[in-house]
Amino acid sequence: AQTVTQSQPEMSVQEAETVTLSCTYDTSESDYYLFWYKQPPSRQMILVIRQEAYKQQNATENRFSVNFQKAAKSFSLKISDSQLGDAAMYFCAFHTGANSKLTFGKGITLSVRP
Amino acid sequence: NAGVTQTPKFQVLKTGQSMTLQCAQDMNHEYMSWYRQDPGMGLRLIHYSVGAGITDQGEVPNGYNVSRSTTEDFPLRLLSAAPSQTSVYFCASMRTLNTEAFFGQGTRLTVV
Repeated sequence: AQTVTQSQPEMSVQEAETVTLSCTYDTSESDYYLFWYKQPPSRQMILVIRQEAYKQQNATENRFSVNFQKAAKSFSLKISDSQLGDAAMYFCAFHTGANSKLTFGKGITLSVRP
Repeated sequence: NAGVTQTPKFQVLKTGQSMTLQCAQDMNHEYMSWYRQDPGMGLRLIHYSVGAGITDQGEVPNGYNVSRSTTEDFPLRLLSAAPSQTSVYFCASMRTLNTEAFFGQGTRLTVV
């Protein structure tokens, strides 16, 4: 079975500072894909960033970057220069090439202090 | 572009009633899924489909039925609503397994 663990239910960051959200996963597959999704109060799910497991280079999207440690099965999200609009719930998710199930973690609520 | 259209946005049911949550996508995606979101539980997979005529169970399928007669539509049926099915439901679709999942706006369902 594949699992995703987000151990921190809540985090807080000062505006303009950097914050890292943790995620670990478990799978026996070698081919898989990792995602971070953002869910603001509007409830809409928005893709933040994605990473293919076969790529060694960490993905980056503007102020968002990941630290992908394949051996440790860790996939953390770093948000630089945090903005008030970053306040949301963030979900880590992944699926393997062996099945069609996109599995989510329990999510972490990020608050941004002005 | 419509993307993933999910209806209704809100619904209140009495215990024992049945209903269907509608989901339609206009992106010709093969993969579609239904999730429920509960506080502290994240998104849990109910049922999914890899193409028209093919469906399979996810993590929490009991009490729900699905069908996929066309590529565009993937309705979720609650057969006999129970208070434990009070939740927010999301439909999602993907073009391929390694691409972005597109989500509907969610349905907040309350069973009293």
